[in-house]
Parts: sequence; structure tokens; C-alpha cells
Amino acid sequence: GNSVTQMEGPVTLSEEAFLTINCTYTATGYPSLFWYVQYPGEGLQLLLKATKADDKGSNKGFEATYRKETTSFHLEKGSVQVSDSAVYFCALKGSGGYQKVTFGTGTKLQVIP
Amino acid sequence: EAGVTQFPSHSVIEKGQTVTLRCDPISGHDNLYWYRRVMGKEIKFLLHFVKESKQDESGMPNNRFLAERTGGTYSTLKVQPAELEDSGVYFCASSQDLMWGLNTEAFFGQGTRLTVV
Repeated sequence: GNSVTQMEGPVTLSEEAFLTINCTYTATGYPSLFWYVQYPGEGLQLLLKATKADDKGSNKGFEATYRKETTSFHLEKGSVQVSDSAVYFCALKGSGGYQKVTFGTGTKLQVIP
Repeated sequence: EAGVTQFPSHSVIEKGQTVTLRCDPISGHDNLYWYRRVMGKEIKFLLHFVKESKQDESGMPNNRFLAERTGGTYSTLKVQPAELEDSGVYFCASSQDLMWGLNTEAFFGQGTRLTVV
């Protein structure tokens, strides 16, 4: 079945540091890939997505590129802010017919001033 | 527009007791999903309603869990009797379109943190 593997957290960075959160997946066909973010006390929000190979999703300074050859969808941001502190979830939805969304374990990011 | 609302935000119950979680989806969203995150692990799918019908309940862990969506509006998830391993955060999401992720987005509630002691 489909699965998503994320790097373990927590990740602690200083403000303005470069962020990478690794995500790899296992799925047949051509899944759609997502990053969701959960800020403290809030629900999950879609951060960005990519629906086909080599697509780059971007939002709020975050980017992730759908790499089919490495089955990866790493999340990056060039300069993090304290307000980016949250839990980040990588997810995928399989292709073809009805498919559930499969989430990773989540990576907690803490940005310190 | 109101978002997805879940009640309660926190619940602490003793093993063997019953707890009912509620989810109010966004108005007009036919699709409603329940997910659970246990002890920092991955968010796992529980079930999916289309209106009042269960489209997929393959993720329900056992028969102690009962989900309903009478009238196709709000949904409840009852755990009876609760066990220690049921502790976690229960998320509800709703979407307008069945093909969540491709053409439309699913919107999540803030979750209910359930602690069974």
C-alpha cells in the first residue's frame, strides 16, 4: 500500500536559517503529493501540493518539488521565521479511482529568535 | 464562512467509559472524513462519509468505534468502551468534492485531543 516517510523531529532552527524537511513516499502509479501544516491550536492547513512529476508546489516562501526518480517531495524554505513554528505533514493521494489520503508522521519545527 | 468545528477540544476519560466526539463540517460539504493521530505517529484514516452514507470505513480500528452522520450534516464518533490505546488527536475534515486533492481542498478541524487514563 501507499506510505509516506518523513524525517524525525523536532527540528530547531534559528530565525532566517534554511529549512529542509525530507519526505519520501511509496506508491504505485502517479500519486498527488501534499504538505500540510498545523500551527499551535489550529487544524491542518494545506500548505502546497504537486500533482505530477517535476511539478513544484510553492506557498508562503515554502517550496517542494515532486521527484519521481527519487520518490521524494522535500519541503524547503530559504529563511524561516518564528511564525513558521508548527508541525508539518507530508501526504499523498494515490492515482486512479477512489483513493484515501495517506499522511506521514509529522515533523515539528521550532524556530527561535 | 465558518470552518470545520470539532467538539470538545479536549477530553479526559477513564478506561471503560464512553466518549462522543462531534464534527460540524463546512456547510454544503458532502464529504466528511475522520482521521486519528496517536502518540506522535502518522495521521491515520478512519472513515469517510458521503452525505449520510459511509463511503469507506476501512480504517476503523474495531467495533468499539461507531461513527454516524444522520441527515448528512454533522457527524459523531463514539468510542465505547474506551481503552488506553485510543488516546490521541482525532481530526475531522470536509470537502466539497470527492476527488480531494486534485481539484478541491479538504478543510480540517482543530482536532479533539482524547486522553484515556
